[in-house]
Amino acid sequence: GQNIDQPTEMTATEGAIVQINCTYQTSGFNGLFWYQQHAGEAPTFLSYNVLDGLEEKGRFSSFLSRSKGYSYLLLKELQMKDSASYLCAVINSNYQLIWGAGTKLIIKP
Amino acid sequence: GAVVSQHPSWVICKSGTSVKIECRSLDFQATTMFWYRQFPKQSLMLMATSNEGSKATYEQGVEKDKFLINHASLTLSTLTVTSAHPEDSSFYICSATRQGLLEIQPQHFGDGTRLSIL
Repeated sequence: GQNIDQPTEMTATEGAIVQINCTYQTSGFNGLFWYQQHAGEAPTFLSYNVLDGLEEKGRFSSFLSRSKGYSYLLLKELQMKDSASYLCAVINSNYQLIWGAGTKLIIKP
Repeated sequence: GAVVSQHPSWVICKSGTSVKIECRSLDFQATTMFWYRQFPKQSLMLMATSNEGSKATYEQGVEKDKFLINHASLTLSTLTVTSAHPEDSSFYICSATRQGLLEIQPQHFGDGTRLSIL
């Protein structure tokens, strides 16, 4: 089967750094996405990794290791508005997008 | 860029009513559109994938006669929930992607439609 694993919930403090991990086992790999979803809203695109390494976009960075089937999303200088669910999704060799269940991030003042 | 509009945002209607949801890509041509359903505190569940001008591909367990999908143009897809019942109450979200020649494009989501069947 195909599956994507992420922690169900994480808690962090405003101003701090948090790393959300994602491991995957899929039939082939054509890239990995991270999305942010606030409660009651639709997901918004954050990042796409297809090659190994770190991609930085402002306060958010995403890392990929294809050999390990592993990615993480790093959020720096956390703000209260970063409280949301973060979804990891992988495109397999059939170009199907396989979604993780999401990690609910709670930011405390 | 990559704006997807979904309408309506909220629908409340009686059991047995058919409900139509529209999904439009406003500033790009969407080669593929996707329809998802999400129950509270659960992950996204893909219902179907549609390509312009062809029949939608439904995921296992999704009734194609109940959830009618039409993708008539490169900017518009519609989902019609026929004879809706309370168990169909959910958050329905569409997304659209333009397939690049050389690279994979992300899905861009509409704002979702919250459907409540009384």
